[in-house]
Amino acid sequence: DVKVTQSSRYLVKRTGEKVFLECVQDMDHENMFWYRQDPGLGLRLIYFSYDVKMKEKGDIPEGYSVSREKKERFSLILESASTNQTSMYLCASREGVLYEQFFGPGTRLTVL
Amino acid sequence: AQSVTQLDSQVPVFEEAPVELRCNYSSSVSVYLFWYVQYPNQGLQLLLKYLSGSTLVKGINGFEAEFNKSQTSFHLRKPSVHISDTAEYFCAVSRSGGGADGLTFGKGTHLIIQP
Repeated sequence: DVKVTQSSRYLVKRTGEKVFLECVQDMDHENMFWYRQDPGLGLRLIYFSYDVKMKEKGDIPEGYSVSREKKERFSLILESASTNQTSMYLCASREGVLYEQFFGPGTRLTVL
Repeated sequence: AQSVTQLDSQVPVFEEAPVELRCNYSSSVSVYLFWYVQYPNQGLQLLLKYLSGSTLVKGINGFEAEFNKSQTSFHLRKPSVHISDTAEYFCAVSRSGGGADGLTFGKGTHLIIQP
């Protein structure tokens, strides 16, 4: 079974802090994704990576950056957290374009 | 660019009744179509997907969906629901024909099963 793990289920940070959200997958998947989920808005793609050290902007990249130094790990970085980044963050991985995305359990981030 | 519209934000249904959750998409290119389910406090789980071939797709937990290209729809159905089906359901599309980009999701439909 594919397992996608995220470093924290719940996180509370202060405005202006630098925040790291970590995601690890154990199935040697090429593609990895970061989404944020907000009530009434569904999931929106922040960034994705199709290979190590490769990254592409999604629909809402502003205020975020990512890092993928190893194939199994994809990090989402909030350079200076703001209250409007309070959200549920979901990581996903996928073997290739014909395959489903497997999601982690999510990190609920609150920025005070 | 593509977009997904889930026409109902909430669908209340009595237990053992049939249900249909509606999904329409818009895209200038061919797409792959997915339905995901999210149970409370959990991540998303794939119910079913349409890539090509037969337009009727069967998934897990007794769900099925029909791809209708002329109506650009991909509605999800189940003939008889159970309390355990209470969850948020998301329709999603991705571009077909290559490309490693992500999914475009609808806003979700909350399925509420009433005893």
